[in-house]
Amino acid sequence: AQSVSQHNHHVILSEAASLELGCNYSYGGTVNLFWYVQYPGQHLQLLLKYFSGDPLVKGIKGFEAEFIKSKFSFNLRKPSVQWSDTAEYFCAVNAYANDMRFGAGTRLTVKP
Amino acid sequence: DGGITQSPKYLFRKEGQNVTLSCEQNLNHDAMYWYRQDPGQGLRLIYYSQIVNDFQKGDIAEGYSVSREKKESFPLTVTSAQKNPTAFYLCASIGGGSTDTQYFGPGTRLTVL
Repeated sequence: AQSVSQHNHHVILSEAASLELGCNYSYGGTVNLFWYVQYPGQHLQLLLKYFSGDPLVKGIKGFEAEFIKSKFSFNLRKPSVQWSDTAEYFCAVNAYANDMRFGAGTRLTVKP
Repeated sequence: DGGITQSPKYLFRKEGQNVTLSCEQNLNHDAMYWYRQDPGQGLRLIYYSQIVNDFQKGDIAEGYSVSREKKESFPLTVTSAQKNPTAFYLCASIGGGSTDTQYFGPGTRLTVL
């Protein structure tokens, strides 16, 4: 089965700083890629997803991610974070037959 | 409203008892999933089912069992063989095949005393 690695366990930024969260996966075939966010006390919400086409995908709340096939990566970015972006972020990969796996998550703390 | 229902929100059990967590969806989704969420470990896949009467083990299936007798229901039983059952359990589903988005239920927090 495929695996997903998120390298940063906890990231602390000041407001207006730029954000990049790393995500790498292990499967060599066709993949569908997702980033989810979980705000404190809330459900998981989909931020963005990549299925095919333009490898730079834009999601909600100003987030974007770039799929780099040669690096097996799908890093999440935001040019300028806000305090309200404080949450836990999960990368997920669906490689085949609906076998959906998640990374360990990255906790983002944005200081006002 | 369409969605995924998990009940109860909080569940307490004594050590050595089996307990069954409920997951129901009215989204007409084929695939359903159970994950366990622990701090610092993300979501780990326990079991998933692509169609009725069929399911596959995920990464941490030991000590758990599932059934899929109806499309809308995918209950998870945490057995006494699960060594560390206290956790937050999430149920999810996908409707349109592997290119669709996964929808999540609100979760059940199980505490074994």
